[in-house]
Amino acid sequence: DVKVTQSSRYLVKRTGEKVFLECVQDMDHENMFWYRQDPGLGLRLIYFSYDVKMKEKGDIPEGYSVSREKKERFSLILESASTNQTSMYLCASSSPGTSGSNEQFFGPGTRLTVL
Amino acid sequence: AQRVTQPEKLLSVFKGAPVELKCNYSYSGSPELFWYVQYSRQRLQLLLRHISRESIKGFTADLNKGETSFHLKKPFAQEEDSAMYYCALSPLPGQGGSEKLVFGKGTKLTVNP
Repeated sequence: DVKVTQSSRYLVKRTGEKVFLECVQDMDHENMFWYRQDPGLGLRLIYFSYDVKMKEKGDIPEGYSVSREKKERFSLILESASTNQTSMYLCASSSPGTSGSNEQFFGPGTRLTVL
Repeated sequence: AQRVTQPEKLLSVFKGAPVELKCNYSYSGSPELFWYVQYSRQRLQLLLRHISRESIKGFTADLNKGETSFHLKKPFAQEEDSAMYYCALSPLPGQGGSEKLVFGKGTKLTVNP
């Protein structure tokens, strides 16, 4: 079973703080993704990474950055948190080269509130 | 451009009634299509994908390339089917396309007793 874990289930931060969200997967997947999930807007891709130290912008990268120093870990960074970044953040991983499918496996999510 | 449309934000049915969650897509190549489900306070998980052609928890979905649809169906809804459902699309692996998924905005299904 693929396990994707996220460092926090709930997080409360203040406007202007730097926020780190961590994601770890244990199945040696090459691809990792960060989404935010908002009611009525579905899942929107923030960034993804297809290899260590490689990253690509998704649909809504503004205000976010990412880091992938090790294959199993993908971090999302909010340089200066703002109230409009209050959301549920989902991490996912996939390995189409191995599985033959772009199926993604999701973590439990981090609900971030920025006050 | 790749696009997934789920026309219903909310869908409410009674237990035992048939249910159909609609999904239409826009993609010029050969897509891989998925249905994901998120039960209350649980993580998003794969329900089924068109390549597998399997039935999970009584749900089926057929890819209709002519109508560019991938509707999710179940003949007799159960209360435990109440959840958020997302349709998603990606290029078939090995076709040289992106390995990202494009998601619809989701349909919240409520099955009433």
